Parts: sequence; C-alpha cells; structure tokens
Amino acid sequence: AQSVTQLGSHVSVSEGALVLLRCNYSSSVPPYLFWYVQYPNQGLQLLLKYTTGATLVKGINGFEAEFKKSETSFHLTKPSAHMSDAAEYFCAVTERYNFNKFYFGSGTKLNVKP
Amino acid sequence: DADVTQTPRNRITKTGKRIMLECSQTKGHDRMYWYRQDPGLGLQLIYYSFDVKDINKGEISDGYSVSRQAQAKFSLSLESAIPNQTALYFCATSSDRGPGGELFFGEGSRLTVL
Repeated sequence: AQSVTQLGSHVSVSEGALVLLRCNYSSSVPPYLFWYVQYPNQGLQLLLKYTTGATLVKGINGFEAEFKKSETSFHLTKPSAHMSDAAEYFCAVTERYNFNKFYFGSGTKLNVKP
Repeated sequence: DADVTQTPRNRITKTGKRIMLECSQTKGHDRMYWYRQDPGLGLQLIYYSFDVKDINKGEISDGYSVSRQAQAKFSLSLESAIPNQTALYFCATSSDRGPGGELFFGEGSRLTVL
C-alpha cells in the first residue's frame, strides 16, 4: 500500500514569508497527487492536484506544487503567506493503476504570525 | 446548500449506545466514502462504496458498519460505541469518470463517546 509522509506536523511562518509544506510518497509508479486544506470546523477542500502533464501545478489562493519524480515529492509552496492561510494541509495520493483509494498524510498545521 | 451534507454535525453519546451518522450528496457521484480523522493521524478510510450494491471495508472497519440506501445516501453506524471511537468523521464522494478525480468532503460529524 501507498504511504504518504508530511514532514513537520506544525509549521509557523510570518505573514509575507514563503510557505513550504513537504510531502513525499512511497510508490515507485508515480501516483496522482493532491493537496487539500482544512479550515477550522470545516471539511477538506481541494487546493490542487497533479495527474499528468506539467509538473508545476497551480491551485487556488496562490498555492502551487511541483511533482518531482526523482525525489518522489510533491511539496506545496506559496510565495507570500497571508493570515487567512492558517489551516491544516493534507497531502493525498491515489495509485495510477488503482485509483479507487486515497491515501492521506498525517497533515501539517500552518500557523501564520502577524 | 452543501453538496455533501452530514448529520448530525456534533453528537455526544455514552459507551454501548448505537449511533448512526448520515451522509447525503447532490453531486450525482456513485462513489462514497467514510473517513475518520484523529489529530496527528490524518484521515483513515473506514468503508467505501462504488454503487448501491458495492460496499467495501477500508483500513479501520472493525466496530463500524455502513448502509448505502440510495446513490445519494451512505450511512455509518457504530453498533456499540466505545470511547476510542471519539473522532471527527467525514463523508466524501468522488466521480468514477476516469482516474484523477478528487474527493469532495462534507463538513464532518464530531462524535464524542463518554
């Protein structure tokens, strides 16, 4: 089975600073990759996804992620953090040839300091 | 109105009681899922269903059962609740129209078992 590793359960940045949230997956065959965001007392919302094509994917709210096959990574970035970005972020994958199940990382809580 | 609706949003119950969490969706998706979220563990799959006659166990199905009453309705039951089932539960849907489709989540049902 797939495993998804998110380094850092808590990340704290200052407003205006770069946001970098890390995600690595275990499959030798590149999976489909997703980033979700969860605001307090809400469900998860899709930020962006990678299926095929360009490896740099742009999502909502200024976030982007780059698929790097050689590093089995799909790190999420945003050039300038905003207070409203404070939330929990989850990386998820589905297997390319068995897309019936989603595997989630343990999540990273992003704190944005004024 | 939300595309994926969960009821109740919050429930406190006692050990040994039977609990049902309900999920309904208006997205027209065939695939429905129940996940459990615990702090620091991400989301764990309890059960999933690809159509009304198809029910599958996920990673942590022990102590849970489900019913797919219609394409739009998928219920999760705890026959005899225990305190370690205290968690946030999410229903989700996805389209079966090809790979790479993402999950759409409800807002969650917070269950506390005393």
